Amino acid sequence: ETGVTQTPRHLVMGMTNKKSLKCEQHLGHNAMYWYKQSAKKPLELMFVYSLEERVENNSVPSRFSPECPNSSHLFLHLHTLQPEDSALYLCASSQEPDRLSYNEQFFGPGTRLTVL
Amino acid sequence: GDSVTQMEGPVTLSEEAFLTINCTYTATGYPSLFWYVQYPGEGLQLLLKATKADDKGSNKGFEATYRKETTSFHLEKGSVQVSDSAVYFCALSDRGGGGADGLTFGKGTHLIIQP
Repeated sequence: ETGVTQTPRHLVMGMTNKKSLKCEQHLGHNAMYWYKQSAKKPLELMFVYSLEERVENNSVPSRFSPECPNSSHLFLHLHTLQPEDSALYLCASSQEPDRLSYNEQFFGPGTRLTVL
Repeated sequence: GDSVTQMEGPVTLSEEAFLTINCTYTATGYPSLFWYVQYPGEGLQLLLKATKADDKGSNKGFEATYRKETTSFHLEKGSVQVSDSAVYFCALSDRGGGGADGLTFGKGTHLIIQP
């Protein structure tokens, strides 16, 4: 059982649509992440939020727009996507580690996105 | 930059066979190492972890030892079950001093256990 939920679980959209992915964590963590999982490729880090501020943006196209309104919620707004953006989008959370701890991340089940 | 290399598979074994999935890494700092497992239709679950050299992580019969000299973190299990069929990911975190950071993942190894 995971303390990170994602909705919707499946999404099909056209290239001109606008949609949003939602992630919610119930673990009291203060850092949240978006990853993209494509077939035959390693998981790709997209965005990192720590204490509700974006701390990393891994050269992600502007058609992906993240939003973190509070430490429990993370959104990924999608617009004008391309078919190659079809993938599993995974959200994760962690407690921001200090110098002596490690970065254990807890993942949600993902949203399977298909862009037509 | 950091990287993780693991055998991609698929790896097909019979039930009760011995399992080894190799993982090697490259990191500039002194990373923490993880194995995650992904069952069909689900997200990633942490299987085990190790944070310093010679640490052994273990869980559900799986083990992996952090080998700094060979930069490796191979996953092993003495007797696999059909329910172990999944994709296994080796990952590292190389934060070096605190702060949130993404994990660096290998491509994943698809494990298939046949009855």
